[in-house]
Amino acid sequence: AQSVSQHNHHVILSEAASLELGCNYSYGGTVNLFWYVQYPGQHLQLLLKYFSGDPLVKGIKGFEAEFIKSKFSFNLRKPSVQWSDTAEYFCAVNPHSGGSYIPTFGRGTSLIVHP
Amino acid sequence: DTAVSQTPKYLVTQMGNDKSIKCEQNLGHDTMYWYKQDSKKFLKIMFSYNNKELIINETVPNRFSPKSPDKAHLNLHINSLELGDSAVYFCASSLISGRGNEQFFGPGTRLTVL
Repeated sequence: AQSVSQHNHHVILSEAASLELGCNYSYGGTVNLFWYVQYPGQHLQLLLKYFSGDPLVKGIKGFEAEFIKSKFSFNLRKPSVQWSDTAEYFCAVNPHSGGSYIPTFGRGTSLIVHP
Repeated sequence: DTAVSQTPKYLVTQMGNDKSIKCEQNLGHDTMYWYKQDSKKFLKIMFSYNNKELIINETVPNRFSPKSPDKAHLNLHINSLELGDSAVYFCASSLISGRGNEQFFGPGTRLTVL
């Protein structure tokens, strides 16, 4: 079974600081990778996703993530965070084939951005 | 025009009661899910329902039972509620054959058991 590890559980930054949230997964085959964001009091929504092609994917609100297959990683980055980025961030993986429809989520990273 | 909707948004009840949460999606997706999010924000998948096939997370107590009258609905019934059931429950849907199983989440139901 696949698993997803998010190493940073709590991150506190000041506005304009750069952000990188780690995500590693364990699965031997091809995967689809996702980052979801959950703003305070809201539901999860998609930030960005990787299916195939260019390993550097760009999402909404200036976020990007890089898939490094050799490291089984899909780290999330943003060059300059804003107060409104305060949220919970979840990395998720789903096998690319085989009809599997049980996604695996990481435990989440809580990001607090101070103004 | 909500894609995935849940009712109620808040549910406060006493221990031992039976309650249901309803979920509907109008995205034409073929798979629906129930997730439980605890106070530490940990997201745990409880059930997945695809074309009448139910996948159950073995760690979920059998007091929880999903019911799917059709592809657009997946309701969650909980018997004999316990304090530990207090959490936010999210319904989600996806299209297995496309979009890599991207999850579309409902607004959540905050369940408080007293």
